[in-house]
Amino acid sequence: NAGVMQNPRHLVRRRGQEARLRCSPMKGHSHVYWYRQLPEEGLKFMVYLQKENIIDESGMPKERFSAEFPKEGPSILRIQQVVRGDSAAYFCASSPPGSENIQYFGAGTRLSVL
Amino acid sequence: GENVEQHPSTLSVQEGDSAVIKCTYSDSASNYFPWYKQELGKRPQLIIDIRSNVGEKKDQRIAVTLNKTAKHFSLHITETQPEDSAVYFCAANSNSGYALNFGKGTSLLVTP
Repeated sequence: NAGVMQNPRHLVRRRGQEARLRCSPMKGHSHVYWYRQLPEEGLKFMVYLQKENIIDESGMPKERFSAEFPKEGPSILRIQQVVRGDSAAYFCASSPPGSENIQYFGAGTRLSVL
Repeated sequence: GENVEQHPSTLSVQEGDSAVIKCTYSDSASNYFPWYKQELGKRPQLIIDIRSNVGEKKDQRIAVTLNKTAKHFSLHITETQPEDSAVYFCAANSNSGYALNFGKGTSLLVTP
């Protein structure tokens, strides 16, 4: 089991560009969560998805951010028209059915906006 | 989201000593409390967790205690080793049940 896989590990974007972050959950896991971590801070919940469904996006900014978890393929966190304040580490976690609390994290994508 | 406060923000101990990190939470509906260890540039790694129906859990050199009445829980590491050096995060699940609210982390340094 390769664990939660995120790519890219590092992503550099200029202001106004789009950022796409990908997450493949652990094998057998059907729940995906995205968190954002600013320097010297803990992780902040953004969104919780199951296959083809957004369950809770209460932590996600209303504008420019979107997430999906299609029937086939990885979960995608999309940030449109990035600004410098979007620079952070974005972590994805997954959990198996019936154990939504127990979340295993990927290595993260470090987004830098120039 | 609900608040999780974590103290201290930095902790330095000598190898072989014990380390204690404390957290408080505000959401009385929280019933799951994991601890994560994060080494520089790496993923947060789940090291131990506790549910609200128990007061203490131990796994080799690490233990977690929970006081639901006071809404606080603690991580105890005994016989610390240099490889224990990392940032440790506590978390509590939110009233939704699954989203985790994290503390700001404790940077632990174990010196030989």
